Amino acid sequence: QVQLEQSGAEVKKPGASVKVSCKASGYTFSKYGISWVRRAPGQGLEWMGWISAYNGNTNYAEKLQGRVTMTTDTSTSTAYMELRRLKSDDTAVYYCARDLGFWRGSAFDSWGQGTLVTVSS
Amino acid sequence: QSVLTQPPSVSAAPGQKVTISCSGSSSNIGNSYVSWYQHLPGTAPKLLIYENNLRPSGIPDRFSGSKSGTSATLGITGLQTGDEADYYCGTWDSSLSAAVFGGGTKLTVL
Repeated sequence: QVQLEQSGAEVKKPGASVKVSCKASGYTFSKYGISWVRRAPGQGLEWMGWISAYNGNTNYAEKLQGRVTMTTDTSTSTAYMELRRLKSDDTAVYYCARDLGFWRGSAFDSWGQGTLVTVSS
Repeated sequence: QSVLTQPPSVSAAPGQKVTISCSGSSSNIGNSYVSWYQHLPGTAPKLLIYENNLRPSGIPDRFSGSKSGTSATLGITGLQTGDEADYYCGTWDSSLSAAVFGGGTKLTVL
């Protein structure tokens, strides 16, 4: 079955960077994109961006442009999300999700377990 | 401010039916498929409905989805206490070139 396994919780200071990993199994990695979604305390789900596991093309949410980078390593079926210049309101649980594609409404059919990133001085 | 509009909360008694609305525009719901997710904080969100009205395997037929114009609706019948969660609609917005979510609806089963 499809599984997405994320790296563990992180605590970072404002201004630092964080890199979260998402290891996929149970399907052909290159056939689907990976989206990253976060949920801050008391807030709703927020889409951060998407990366093609086929060719590495990316599409980032406008508000995160310049601070976020998404990459993949097809040799290990792993996706990565790096967020730089962290601020306190980046404190959230970060999820990776398998993306069925924008032509299918960008539905996310499998999700990682989530990675808590806490930004605090 | 979310691109898609959902009611903040809905409630109903066990065994009853509830509907959750999701309103958008011609650049998102009016032009794309809608998905619905169930999320309990501390767990991974779960896909309930995709492509407006399709259920992934393992999702009971108590959950249903529909779309008309620029709005979509999630229906849940035979409510159980285990259905208490936050529910989100989502779709693709062609003007933003971005996936978008509603603000979420908290379901309380009284």
